[in-house]
Amino acid sequence: EADIYQTPRYLVIGTGKKITLECSQTMGHDKMYWYQQDPGMELHLIHYSYGVNSTEKGDLSSESTVSRIRTEHFPLTLESARPSHTSQYLCASSDPGAEQYFGPGTRLTVT
Amino acid sequence: RKEVEQDPGPFNVPEGATVAFNCTYSNSASQSFFWYRQDCRKEPKLLMSVYSSGNEDGRFTAQLNRASQYISLLIRDSKLSDSATYLCAVRAVGGYALNFGKGTSLLVTP
Repeated sequence: EADIYQTPRYLVIGTGKKITLECSQTMGHDKMYWYQQDPGMELHLIHYSYGVNSTEKGDLSSESTVSRIRTEHFPLTLESARPSHTSQYLCASSDPGAEQYFGPGTRLTVT
Repeated sequence: RKEVEQDPGPFNVPEGATVAFNCTYSNSASQSFFWYRQDCRKEPKLLMSVYSSGNEDGRFTAQLNRASQYISLLIRDSKLSDSATYLCAVRAVGGYALNFGKGTSLLVTP
């Protein structure tokens, strides 16, 4: 089992609020990722990091931002949540073999 | 054209049946290939990596066909618990991020 954690698991929040989704892993992986997935749809990469102080945007444009100050921690922030941000957000990390391990996800609803 | 394509299904099969899924990828320089399983409203879980020579893990067999640019997953003796969505993932050259297919839905019935 992978040791990757996400909090909160579920979040319902009003429009305009600032939110931070937490992701932590204890495997010492350098590489971490954030994906967005709507029900029944494919995973879309929105951010990734190959190490401390390294972050890049993914294939899907996102209004969120990320930071990587510590190897084990990769939080995602939405400065002003909107209903279009309602989705499931999945964090992952990978070992040198590129096998990615996912956290349990945060299901976000913006009202 | 999407980088990774899968038949969404659903595949409805009886218990004990053998079922196979294919996944095509567009970048011929792709280097690493994986199958993930995703249960409803859960995170994807790594099922197996796909090696050039093919590999087997119990009832599951994965194969890679570089010439035709597809990977396959064969499930023998299907169990009810195999019901899930199966995602294929491909790592592009020069990076570590994975491109995922949309997934193939499998329903195993009694």
